[in-house]
Amino acid sequence: DAGVTQSPTHLIKTRGQQVTLRCSPKSGHDTVSWYQQALGQGPQFIFQYYEEEERQRGNFPDRFSGHQFPNYSSELNVNALLLGDSALYLCASSLDRGLGGYTFGSGTRLTVV
Amino acid sequence: KQEVTQIPAALSVPEGENLVLNCSFTDSAIYNLQWFRQDPGKGLTSLLLIQSSQREQTSGRLNASLDKSSGRSTLYIAASQPGDSATYLCAVLMDSSYKLIFGSGTRLLVRP
Repeated sequence: DAGVTQSPTHLIKTRGQQVTLRCSPKSGHDTVSWYQQALGQGPQFIFQYYEEEERQRGNFPDRFSGHQFPNYSSELNVNALLLGDSALYLCASSLDRGLGGYTFGSGTRLTVV
Repeated sequence: KQEVTQIPAALSVPEGENLVLNCSFTDSAIYNLQWFRQDPGKGLTSLLLIQSSQREQTSGRLNASLDKSSGRSTLYIAASQPGDSATYLCAVLMDSSYKLIFGSGTRLLVRP
């Protein structure tokens, strides 16, 4: 079982640019959530996708958007990057709303310079 | 608003000690609580999942308990090893939400 796969592993972008992060959920999972983790902090919820729709959104600006594909994989897009967007971005998959627990990927380390 | 707190923020112990990590939450309307391990710069590894109707879960040297009414969970690690060194995070899933709410974690160092 491949678990949750995220790409790329690391990324360096310039302020103002746009970035796309990708996530493939664990086999059998249909729901994908994205989290942002700043250094020394717990992960913060960005949004969750289920049945190709954004089901819930955290306190993040509209610069953060996402998509879920029919095969349940997902993308996180961030526009107009700010220095403060530098963080570890984590993808988590679950079956529906996560009553059986969440499985996380290894994350994408985004550095904005 | 749910708040999750983990105490202590950091812990250093000699190898072989039994230790307890604490997690508290302010709103008891949770569906479940999950403990994770995170190595530096890496993703989260799930350790234990406790449903709100359960009191504890065990996996190997790990035991997690849940007291929903008092808003507390503990992670007990028996006979600690240097390989247990990592940050331990607890997260709750609310009855009325789809998102996990995390504490800030406890950084554990087990000295050989």
